Amino acid sequence: QSALTQPRSVSGSPGQSVTISCTETSSALGGYIYVSWYQQHPGKAPKLMIYGDTKRPSGVPDRFSGSRSGNTASLIISGLQAEDEADYYCCSYAGSYTSYLFGGGTKLTVL
Amino acid sequence: QAQLVQSGPEVKKSGASVRLSCKASGYTFSSYGIAWVRQAPGQGLEWMGWISAHNGYTNYVQKLQDRFTMTTDTSTSTAYMELRSLRSDDTAIYYCATNRIDGFDLWGQGTKVTVSS
Repeated sequence: QSALTQPRSVSGSPGQSVTISCTETSSALGGYIYVSWYQQHPGKAPKLMIYGDTKRPSGVPDRFSGSRSGNTASLIISGLQAEDEADYYCCSYAGSYTSYLFGGGTKLTVL
Repeated sequence: QAQLVQSGPEVKKSGASVRLSCKASGYTFSSYGIAWVRQAPGQGLEWMGWISAHNGYTNYVQKLQDRFTMTTDTSTSTAYMELRSLRSDDTAIYYCATNRIDGFDLWGQGTKVTVSS
């Protein structure tokens, strides 16, 4: 059974950078077609921040970036701002109409 | 602009069924798929399944396969989900989302489903 593991929480001060990892704990994440990342503020629907591992949708600040190496994908947020405080989820897709899988989520606190 | 608008909150008894809708506008509904994702109180996101609005192909998460059904009506650009034999742990906010790119780029506002005994 595959699972995507994220740290439960990360924190940083305004202006700093943080990295949120997403690690596939059984087979290699390299077997997945792509990873996407979502931001969710309390009481709101998730918002796509990164798609196709590294791409940013229109309107998402370039402070947000994504990377992937082996079985770990990462969301990097630079120049932290107060409004970045939220929960962040990674999601993998194995392709060919197979299933999607969300990570457990990471709470980002801006100190 | 493109949007997904979901039906209103539901309160159901254990063992009952619930049917939720998700109406798309502002994009070509039949060209993409719709996923259903739920979030139990204080918990993370759980992918439930995906349906192609183009050909009706469905893919369900294994744990829900026997009591969860997704459909679409391309004439009204609406996706539906039905969850049967409701249990207390089905209490959650249910979201629909579409993946016009390699990620779920458009989300509904969510529908709260409460299951009581």
